[in-house]
Amino acid sequence: AQSVTQPDIHITVSEGASLELRCNYSYGATPYLFWYVQSPGQGLQLLLKYFSGDTLVQGIKGFEAEFKRSQSSFNLRKPSVHWSDAAEYFCAVDAASGSARQLTFGSGTQLTVLP
Amino acid sequence: DGGITQSPKYLFRKEGQNVTLSCEQNLNHDAMYWYRQDPGQGLRLIYYSQIVNDFQKGDIAEGYSVSREKKESFPLTVTSAQKNPTAFYLCASSFRERYEQYFGPGTRLTVT
Repeated sequence: AQSVTQPDIHITVSEGASLELRCNYSYGATPYLFWYVQSPGQGLQLLLKYFSGDTLVQGIKGFEAEFKRSQSSFNLRKPSVHWSDAAEYFCAVDAASGSARQLTFGSGTQLTVLP
Repeated sequence: DGGITQSPKYLFRKEGQNVTLSCEQNLNHDAMYWYRQDPGQGLRLIYYSQIVNDFQKGDIAEGYSVSREKKESFPLTVTSAQKNPTAFYLCASSFRERYEQYFGPGTRLTVT
């Protein structure tokens, strides 16, 4: 069965600093990978996705992620964090079963941004 | 504006009562999903539906029921059989042939 691991439960960075959130997956086939962001008490917003092709994908809000097949990773990065980036971030992998699409989520990384 | 609406945002019920959470989308998406979110955990899939009048159980379907009578609507009923119903519930939808899911704002259910 597929699984997604986000090893960091909580990360704190200063505003303006760079950010990297880790995501590792376990999945037998070529994965479809996603990063979502959730503000407190809100739904999830899609930041970016990887299906195939260029392994460095650009998303909204200045985020990017790099797919590394050899490391089974899909880490999220941002060169300079803004206070408004404080939120919880979820990595997800598509686990297709026949024609049914399903997402398996990691447990999330809570990001705190210091002024 | 196209999107997914969930109502109400907060819901309070007494133990032993069934409660229905609403989810409506006007994105013309084929597939709809219900997830449960608990603190410190990721999202867990309760039910999903690829087309009208058809739905499948997810990982934690026990104590929940759904219907899909219209493409736009996918209500979730939390029954009294659900042992621990207090949680944040998220509805999502997607085009059947696409992979990314779009989420509603969520309903926080508290059962006492």
